[in-house]
Amino acid sequence: QSALTQPRSVSGSPGQSVTISCTGTSSDVGAYNYVSWYQQHPGKAPKLMIYDVIKRPSGVPDRFSGSKSGNTASLTISGLQAEDEADYYCSSYADNYVLIFGGGTTLTVL
Amino acid sequence: QVQLVQSGAEVKKPGASVKISCEASGYTFTSYIMYWVRQAPGQRLEWMGWINAANGDTHYSQKFQDRVTLTRDTSANAAYMELSSLRSEDTAVYYCAREIGGSRQFDYWGQGTLVTVSS
Repeated sequence: QSALTQPRSVSGSPGQSVTISCTGTSSDVGAYNYVSWYQQHPGKAPKLMIYDVIKRPSGVPDRFSGSKSGNTASLTISGLQAEDEADYYCSSYADNYVLIFGGGTTLTVL
Repeated sequence: QVQLVQSGAEVKKPGASVKISCEASGYTFTSYIMYWVRQAPGQRLEWMGWINAANGDTHYSQKFQDRVTLTRDTSANAAYMELSSLRSEDTAVYYCAREIGGSRQFDYWGQGTLVTVSS
């Protein structure tokens, strides 16, 4: 099964908003509301930022939000801060007991 | 607080096996499914399989099903991942991750274990 498609990099200035897309198919993103987003700083384990497409775990700032339209999910980070600079991965529940990750997006805060 | 603590880095020769542990604390170990996910250098995350800590049921990614074995020890609140017939492409950081109720989403991750395969 192919990876979900994410842009390789995005950037924004402090205070701005950025959106990272995650495109799948009707067998994964389009079929299930089990899309999650993980933040990963260099040398660290991934951290859950969004789950069930739109939910935020406790402790995650409300600057992070998720959405989905059709086969594409999105993570929006508003009010960018320097500490948001990291890699971001999406993942989705998929048919046939499969879990799929995106290729990852590097966010640079200018 | 929930913690998943993994065993330390390993260096293995091609053809060997490696077994990594993941000790859980701060929650009822048998109430959750544990996944194993790996990340090769500069690469995306890749799931390997999962184990139901309550009954030991397992399911493996097709890519790894011939080489990976997941086990658990409920008395130790620990999960284990053994990967056999190692090759250089298996050089990666391996993570255990706790699943949120059947959703294949993970709220807690271990710190990762680097496995280096080199002759």
